[in-house]
Amino acid sequence: QLQLQESGPGLVKPSETLSLTCTVSGGSISSSSHFWGWIRQPPGKGLEWIGSLFYSGSTYYNSSLKSRVTISVDTSKNQFSLKLTSVTAADTAVYYCARRYASSHYDYWGQGTLVTVSP
Amino acid sequence: SSELTQDPAVSVALGQTVRTTCQGDSLRNYYASWYQQKPGQAPVLVFYGKNNRPSGIPDRFSGSSSGNTASLTVTGAQAEDEADYYCNSRDSSGNDVFGTGTKVTVL
Repeated sequence: QLQLQESGPGLVKPSETLSLTCTVSGGSISSSSHFWGWIRQPPGKGLEWIGSLFYSGSTYYNSSLKSRVTISVDTSKNQFSLKLTSVTAADTAVYYCARRYASSHYDYWGQGTLVTVSP
Repeated sequence: SSELTQDPAVSVALGQTVRTTCQGDSLRNYYASWYQQKPGQAPVLVFYGKNNRPSGIPDRFSGSSSGNTASLTVTGAQAEDEADYYCNSRDSSGNDVFGTGTKVTVL
């Protein structure tokens, strides 16, 4: 059974960089059929796609966040990571990592991790 | 802002049928996938593509699509179906986008 687990600091100061890692277990991140994505959800609000990555390193970002986002992969550790720079309170959210099958659907999700941006 | 629009909230009597819709121009070219999210939990895939339901999802969940609108129908809604539902597809650039979400209340 595939499992995804987010990890990283739960508190980040304004203007600093948010860094999260998603560890994939029970399957390989080097799959030609899947993309790996980050999605966030501010408290009480809806889901927002942040970006996705293919194991080869190809990346796709939400245009509204593109200037601040980097998603990268470490196939040796079966992990992929999110960096979001210059954070503000508006970046406070639960951050999910998830697996997307081709261009179709997200079939596995992590449990999510709350990141709060506060001084 | 999302390019996929959903009704903010719908309600259904226990055992009755509820349909929630997702509208967006990109749905003329791409299928939607649908996610159920209960409070404090990660989203769960409940329907995707033309006619696909993941293993373990009750067959009371079904989907359809016509023009710029995708629909998720719950036939014989149960108390445990009360949740937020999100559609997902592509935006005009071909990137991922989630709908605005619908809160389904089972009365």
